[in-house]
Amino acid sequence: GAGVSQTPSNKVTEKGKYVELRCDPISGHTALYWYRQSLGQGPEFLIYFQGTGAADDSGLPNDRFFAVRPEGSVSTLKIQRTERGDSAVYLCASSFDRADEQFFGPGTRLTVL
Amino acid sequence: AQRVTQPEKLLSVFKGAPVELKCNYSYSGSPELFWYVQYSRQRLQLLLRHISRESIKGFTADLNKGETSFHLKKPFAQEEDSAMYYCALNGAGRRALTFGSGTRLQVQP
Repeated sequence: GAGVSQTPSNKVTEKGKYVELRCDPISGHTALYWYRQSLGQGPEFLIYFQGTGAADDSGLPNDRFFAVRPEGSVSTLKIQRTERGDSAVYLCASSFDRADEQFFGPGTRLTVL
Repeated sequence: AQRVTQPEKLLSVFKGAPVELKCNYSYSGSPELFWYVQYSRQRLQLLLRHISRESIKGFTADLNKGETSFHLKKPFAQEEDSAMYYCALNGAGRRALTFGSGTRLQVQP
């Protein structure tokens, strides 16, 4: 079946703009995760959803970052007033339940000019 | 706080040589440890997890709680093993993974 998909694959924006990044998890996966990967680093946790609710948002760096998953499937990561330091690859992962393997998407490369 | 350290950014070996990718962790409880791999132009994928105690593609990793390590080993490297390898930790029932900074393995012919 289809894996985790993320759109867009690349996003270039200007400092101060608002961006939305979309994640389509594997069908039936109840858990969804967002990570951010800066150049030369491993993925860094941002937020985890179990169903529609954010079960752990301790990784969001500040209040410019927000994520939703209104119907328990697709999720959108929203970044307000983007800064150059937000440039990174944003990864989404999903799992069947809390204890299961996390399957990663291809990522969205965000560049803030 | 939980932390994963991969001291080598790059490990270069010849085909057929043994490989050991180092991973040390910092966590006060009983962690769950993983190795993820990212081949060129592919997405990140799970290679193995310590609770499974299995060998995948000839790789094994043993959790050493005394040394807080989870090194990845393979007795004979193959060219197709060339990839980026990330060690990751999951602690205290959290589902969020804490990743190391990764080690690039280059297997030369």
